[in-house]
Amino acid sequence: AQKITQTQPGMFVQEKEAVTLDCTYDTSDPSYGLFWYKQPSSGEMIFLIYQGSYDQQNATEGRYSLNFQKARKSANLVISASQLGDSAMYFCAMREGGFDGNKLSFGAGTTVTVRA
Amino acid sequence: DVKVTQSSRYLVKRTGEKVFLECVQDMDHENMFWYRQDPGLGLRLIYFSYDVKMKEKGDIPEGYSVSREKKERFSLILESASTNQTSMYLCASTFGGIYNEQFFGPGTRLTVL
Repeated sequence: AQKITQTQPGMFVQEKEAVTLDCTYDTSDPSYGLFWYKQPSSGEMIFLIYQGSYDQQNATEGRYSLNFQKARKSANLVISASQLGDSAMYFCAMREGGFDGNKLSFGAGTTVTVRA
Repeated sequence: DVKVTQSSRYLVKRTGEKVFLECVQDMDHENMFWYRQDPGLGLRLIYFSYDVKMKEKGDIPEGYSVSREKKERFSLILESASTNQTSMYLCASTFGGIYNEQFFGPGTRLTVL
């Protein structure tokens, strides 16, 4: 079964507007971490933001925030005030506890294109 | 700054060749990973290693092997390259613990002709 689902293959957003990227996850482990990565066209994976399953507050990092809805198993990324440099592919990933807890499961990704 | 380096950005090989992809990290991470990335499929884990000389199969290990003789270096080996192994290969490393992000190398785009 797919552990991470990103249902939006591609999105367009106007510069300076906010955009929300959807991510749902599937796990029975009470202890897990959720990550978002950005991959520009150059190919490198850039870590953006982390949310732990026990964190009470939604994570924020600059213009990035994570809308964490634990009961719905949802961890959407919100990018505020979009910039042209935000055009990239975005991946949601999950790391579960246990021995395999060092592995990341990735979604298929969402391509964001920011228009001037 | 954490640095993960990969031996090549682009590689072109012929079917049946043995291919080595090298990955080196400089942050003393115990865990290292090899992924392949294909359009619409995200990143899929091929193999990972949690210690020197230790390795574990990921989700798609068929056709690949790995070697970790030193803590900082993790090699991916394609024993006999095939065209369906044409892909982007990404190496990553991290400390243990679910809260630690993985640090990625720049990727190797492998084309098998």
